[in-house]
Amino acid sequence: GAVVSQHPSRVICKSGTSVKIECRSLDFQATTMFWYRQFPKQSLMLMATSNEGSKATYEQGVEKDKFLINHASLTLSTLTVTSAHPEDSSFYICSARAGTNSNQPQHFGDGTRLSIL
Amino acid sequence: DAKTTQPPSMDCAEGRAANLPCNHSTISGNEYVYWYRQIHSQGPQYIIHGLKNNETNEMASLIITEDRKSSTLILPHATLRDTAVYYCIVRAANNYGQNFVFGPGTRLSVLP
Repeated sequence: GAVVSQHPSRVICKSGTSVKIECRSLDFQATTMFWYRQFPKQSLMLMATSNEGSKATYEQGVEKDKFLINHASLTLSTLTVTSAHPEDSSFYICSARAGTNSNQPQHFGDGTRLSIL
Repeated sequence: DAKTTQPPSMDCAEGRAANLPCNHSTISGNEYVYWYRQIHSQGPQYIIHGLKNNETNEMASLIITEDRKSSTLILPHATLRDTAVYYCIVRAANNYGQNFVFGPGTRLSVLP
């Protein structure tokens, strides 16, 4: 089945560091990928929608200059958390949908746990 | 997309069938019902989806009522590894560019 790979799986870094997370669709092309954030004991919250070849669409309250998204190819989207601070510590998850049938499910990566010290 | 309602938690004995309900009383005719689960510290895993007919795959069965206002996900023989948060999501077929909206889900605990 469709596979979405996310890297790295875990990052621990100092406050002020910028962190890049990669999301790849391994066996399908994805014109649209989604980035979610999940805090402990909460559900997934959409941060932004990443569109290949165009600017990402951010949800209300998500700073586009802090969470930089690049979707340069049909199989790769990246999320860069710039100048990360402890409050940015969270579980970041990407997803993509395979196929052109509009009822196809989204497939999710295994997430990146970001810890800012 | 229509809103869904799920019980916050359920227990199930290992080896027994786990029946997870979902209410989606405002579902529209072109909206599908999707089920995902999330095991601790992992990304959500797709389980099954359907429009109006019952569906079955190697993981589970999906039973959708005739009026489509509710559905039940059935794990026929639950194992300890099925312990997870299960999400029921309703989404229109033409919302290709739109994300899946996750509610709080049902935390299923499979007990030995």
